[in-house]
Amino acid sequence: DIQMTQSPSTLSASVGDRVTITCRASESISSWLAWYQQKPGKAPKLLISKASILASGVPSRFSGSGSGTEFTLTISSLQPDDFASYFCQQYESYWTFGQGTKVEIK
Amino acid sequence: EVQLVESGGGLVQPGGSLRLSCAASGFSVSSKYMSWVRQAPEKSLEWVSVLYSGGNTYYADSVEGRFIISRDNSENTVYLQMNSLRAEDTAIYYCTRDSADDYQYYYMDVWGKGTTVTVSS
Repeated sequence: DIQMTQSPSTLSASVGDRVTITCRASESISSWLAWYQQKPGKAPKLLISKASILASGVPSRFSGSGSGTEFTLTISSLQPDDFASYFCQQYESYWTFGQGTKVEIK
Repeated sequence: EVQLVESGGGLVQPGGSLRLSCAASGFSVSSKYMSWVRQAPEKSLEWVSVLYSGGNTYYADSVEGRFIISRDNSENTVYLQMNSLRAEDTAIYYCTRDSADDYQYYYMDVWGKGTTVTVSS
């Protein structure tokens, strides 16, 4: 099974900050990686597929990069609506998720 | 509007059974891959099962032999029959529509709001 490891687990930041979350796969997954945002009590929402393709309606301050085993999600200027948890997911072989990164207010 | 609405969750004793439903609107479940993903309290997400448009089904090792995914095309609904339930099956269960990159790599692009399953005596 492909394991996904996210870091950090928690991130404290301020509005306007540039934020980067890292996701590592236990083996190469090419670019078959998605990022999801989840707010408390809500379902996850797709942000990015194929490592870097923004889903419809997702603000351009979100971006994704990487291939193989190393991936990043970047928020260029953190907004109040962005305080949430973020999960990476590989879909090269079945589906596995990272443990999540909670972005909280500093 | 594309929408998924789950129902059927509740409190069940260990060893019991439950059937979850996922009613879809805005698309046909028969033409899409459909999955169930669960999230235990304060935990990450775990893929549970997938139903391919062609009818093939696959399960996570943790539920293989206990859970069955199916669909009713006339009702445009996907189901998850859960048997021999254990405490570790306690979670919010989300239904997802899966869409493809390059026609073969599927990610979850639409999620329902989820239904809560609690397994406890």
